Parts: sequence; C-alpha cells; structure tokens
Amino acid sequence: EAQVTQNPRYLITVTGKKLTVTCSQNMNHEYMSWYRQDPGLGLRQIYYSMNVEVTDKGDVPEGYKVSRKEKRNFPLILESPSPNQTSLYFCASSTKNTGTSGQKRRGEQYFGPGTRLTVT
Amino acid sequence: TQLLEQSPQFLSIQEGENLTVYCNSSSVFSSLQWYRQEPGEGPVLLVTVVTGGEVKKLKRLTFQFGDARKDSSLHITAAQPGDTGLYLCAGGPLDSSYKLIFGSGTRLLVRP
Repeated sequence: EAQVTQNPRYLITVTGKKLTVTCSQNMNHEYMSWYRQDPGLGLRQIYYSMNVEVTDKGDVPEGYKVSRKEKRNFPLILESPSPNQTSLYFCASSTKNTGTSGQKRRGEQYFGPGTRLTVT
Repeated sequence: TQLLEQSPQFLSIQEGENLTVYCNSSSVFSSLQWYRQEPGEGPVLLVTVVTGGEVKKLKRLTFQFGDARKDSSLHITAAQPGDTGLYLCAGGPLDSSYKLIFGSGTRLLVRP
C-alpha cells in the first residue's frame, strides 16, 4: 500500500530536549516536505527536499533541521524544542511537477497521518 | 509573503443545501489545489487546476480557477454529512516549483 508514515504519532517533551520525528514514503517520490498546522493558520511549510541531499527552507524553518540522506526518508529534527513549537506536524511526499514554466502542475502530495507534538 | 485567504472560516449547513468556499489572493499562482482533511488524518488531494478559467467537476463538487489565476472557488451541490471536514486550498507560487502556500481552511459541518 502506497503511504507516508510518521513516527511518533504523539509526543510530549520538555523544553530543550532534542527530538526527531521520522518520515518515510514507499512511493519512490523525489519531493518531500514538512508542514506544521496550527489553528487559524492552516499548514505552513517548514522545509522541503527536491531530492536526495537537496533541501531548502520553507516559510517557517527557524528551530528546525532536516536531512535527506535516502530518497524514502526525511526526518525532522528539533535540536532544542520550545513551547512555540507545540503543533501538529505533517510530512508529505509527491511526484515531480509537470507542465511548462508559469503553469506547472504540482504533483499530488500524499500526507502522512500527522505527529502531535507538545513541548512543555 | 504570498497569502491565500479562505472564506468562510466555518460553515454549518443542513443536508441538501448548496455551498461555496472561496480562496483569494493578490498574487498569481501557477496552479491551485484543493484538499480535504478529516480529523486525525492528513489532507487528501481533491483536485489541481492549472489554467485560468478552468472548471473541474468531481461528482457534486465543482472547482473553478479564476481567469487571472489569483483566486479559486469550491462549490458543493446538495451537501451530505459525508462532506463534513476541513477544506484547504493551496497555491503554487510562480517563483518556486516546489513550494506550496496553504490557505487557513474552511471547516464545514453538514447536519443530517
């Protein structure tokens, strides 16, 4: 079954304790991304990766790190979590975009089930 | 920063009614996607529109991309309780092939 998996699904931690949220996809997708979802703010992109060893910042990258050593995995690392990073996190993967410049069709993004993180 | 504003934020309607959700921006997008999200799950893609003025239909759902590619709408005909969920629009900026900007979402409740 084609899917994106995230672990853990729920995590309560304390300020400053490093943590990693894993993300894995089995669809051989080049593109992967991390989002956080907060009430009233929708999904905001944290980091994305176009392929192995190629990553870039999204709109809210502060306080987060990522790595893409293998195509299927894209872990999200919080070196020193703070309470304002309490949120619902989603990993997503997709195929390459198609179409010409200016009218690119984004590949369908497949989202993981989410990780609810609480930092106290 | 490019923004996508969705309206309304909340919508509670009776089964059988029609509704329209709007997604607006001052920026042009190369494409626009609509997702639906159920509680405890990640968003699921409903449709992608690319061409200005494009209209796509998915059973009782009709999606339209504005002529100038700055706005979009989702119209649901004869809503059913199964349509309940959070609807999100997401736009692809012209200056990035990989970023996706999400609206804040419309939470829809269809009462039986």
